[in-house]
Amino acid sequence: KNEVEQSPQNLTAQEGEFITINCSYSVGISALHWLQQHPGGGIVSLFMLSSGKKKHGRLIATINIQEKHSSLHITASHPRDSAVYICAVRSAGSYQLTFGKGTKLSVIP
Amino acid sequence: GAVVSQHPSRVICKSGTSVKIECRSLDFQATTMFWYRQFPKQSLMLMATSNEGSKATYEQGVEKDKFLINHASLTLSTLTVTSAHPEDSSFYICSASAPGAHTGEAFFGQGTRLTVV
Repeated sequence: KNEVEQSPQNLTAQEGEFITINCSYSVGISALHWLQQHPGGGIVSLFMLSSGKKKHGRLIATINIQEKHSSLHITASHPRDSAVYICAVRSAGSYQLTFGKGTKLSVIP
Repeated sequence: GAVVSQHPSRVICKSGTSVKIECRSLDFQATTMFWYRQFPKQSLMLMATSNEGSKATYEQGVEKDKFLINHASLTLSTLTVTSAHPEDSSFYICSASAPGAHTGEAFFGQGTRLTVV
C-alpha cells in the first residue's frame, strides 16, 4: 500500500509570499493529483501529473518520479488561497486514489 | 472540465431513518465512481468503489448493509445510509474519473454534510 506524506501539516503565510507544499510517496505511481479543499468541504482538482511540471496561473506543480516526490508552489499568495491542499496518488491500472493528510494553508492579509 | 454534482449538500436526519445521497456526472459517463467519508481534520477515507451495473466493492470495515450503493446508470450513483446513528454524522463526498480527454483525472462532487440527531 502506498504511503503518502505531506509537509507541512499547517502553514501560515503573509499575503504575497511564495509557498511550497511537499508530498512524498512510497510506491511507484501512474499519476499524482493536487487537490484543494475549501472550508465548506468541496474539493477542486488543481493538477494531475505524471512527470515534469505543470503551471496554472499562480500555481505550479512539479514531480520527480525517481525521488517519489512532488511539490505544489503558490506564487504571490493571496488570502483566497487559504484552504487545505491535498496530495493524492494513483497506482497503475487503477482509478483509486490514496490521499495525504492535507496541508492547511492560511494566508494573512 | 468535467462536472460532478452531489446532492444534497447538507442533511439533518433523526436516528433510525435512512438518507440517500446522489452523485451525478453531468457531462460525461462514469463507469466507476468512488464514495469517501471524511471526519473533521482528517483525510478522505475510501468507503467503496461503485461500478455501473454491478455490485459495489467495499473497503474493509465498511458495512455494506448499512451503506447501500447503487450505480444504476452511467451518470448516477447513490449512497444510502440506512438506520442512521449519530456516529454516522460525517462529510461524504463522491468522485468520478472521466474518460477520453480527461482520462485519469478525478472530479469531485461538492460533498454532503450529514448530521444525525
